[in-house]
Parts: sequence; C-alpha cells; structure tokens
Amino acid sequence: QSVLTQPPSASETPGQRVTISCSGSTSNIGINYVYWYQQLPGTAPKLLIYRNNQRPSGVPDRFSGSKSGTSASLAISGLRSEDEADYYCAAWDDSLSGYVFGTGTKVTVL
Amino acid sequence: QVQLQESGPGLVKPSETLSLICTVYGYSISSGYCWGWIRQPPGKGLEWIGSIYHSGSTYYNPSLKSRVTILVDTSKKQFSLTLTSVTAADTAIYYCASGDSFDIWGQGTMVTVSS
Repeated sequence: QSVLTQPPSASETPGQRVTISCSGSTSNIGINYVYWYQQLPGTAPKLLIYRNNQRPSGVPDRFSGSKSGTSASLAISGLRSEDEADYYCAAWDDSLSGYVFGTGTKVTVL
Repeated sequence: QVQLQESGPGLVKPSETLSLICTVYGYSISSGYCWGWIRQPPGKGLEWIGSIYHSGSTYYNPSLKSRVTILVDTSKKQFSLTLTSVTAADTAIYYCASGDSFDIWGQGTMVTVSS
C-alpha cells in the first residue's frame, strides 16, 4: 500500500556518494515534511532525517536530505561499510489522513 | 532519554484479537506528545498502523481502521494497540514509536498469526 516510491536498491564503493530518491504526490511530499529512517539488519528503524533536511543529534553530517516538489532525496557521502542498511522515506498524507512509508531502498557498500 | 518497550503474545490464532502494550520509560506520557504503532511483515517494508496524540485524537491507516484501536493509559505509562479479526497477513514485527517524527522506536516484537 506504499504510496511513496523508492528504488529497490543502490550501491557504491566506500568513500563515494549514493543518493536515494523518494517519489510521492501533492497530497504527501508536495505539502508535508519528509522523514528518513535507517534500518540496520535485524534492528528497529532509526530516525535519520526529519523535516526534510534536519539531522537528529548524533547523526553524522554525511547524511543529508532534500525535497523538491513531490520528490525527496537522501544523500550519503563518504560511504562506509556500516551504512549498509535499508532506508525508508515517510510523510504525512493529507488525502489518507495518515503516514505513508516509502517502499524502501537497500544500500550495499561494494 | 525516552525508551520504549513492546510486550504481548507472540502467537495469535486467526480471527482472534491481537493486543500489544508499549511501556514508556524516561518521559511522562501524560505530559503530551504523540505515540504510534508501525509494523513490518517478514522481509517486507514498513507500514504505519496508527497514532494517538496528547489531545486524545487518533489517526489510523485507512486499510486497518475498522480493526484498530490505540489507547493511552497515563497511570501505567503505557499505550496499547488492539487489532481484531487477525489473519496470516497480520503476521509482522510490531514497533511502537514516539513523536510525529517517530524519533524513538521500541525494539519491536514479532507476532505470528497461526492456528
């Protein structure tokens, strides 16, 4: 039932930059904040970015978020092996009156 | 530092009711804030179930709305999830989370629906 679309996978070598896209619509990303979560294998998701581009305390500045129109992006620069995880975007959807999550992107560090 | 801990049965029979509790540590649940439930079927993505705000307002996933109830018990520093008429499709890891950013998550609890 995901209404936010992400690429299923992304990969890059250590030290490089990887970008994950999140495509939505005018009822969610277009008018509301976007959030990003990192889920390491076997663990609970962790908030990575809130309000489109804000990092919670403790999140490295290698992680950055942006939004334009009905799409958003998460960039990871200086990629490290510990960044291998699943990443999800999320936003409130005014049409559904609820939160929607993205389909998820698995990041692999080659 | 807010911490959340889910608890409840790991196995529920089809057509029965799933009930989970999330205990809040390090924060006075009666002070306000927002509390929610998210689930993740094995090998799949995240699905928002619903959220309850300090005002008492609740919001539920439209696909689950007819079967879901989220309540807060301030005296016990807990909030709960009830999901009725479960089927195998409700088998998932259930997470509780705090804030409208879901900034803090519990470790999750696996619930299997099977006879």
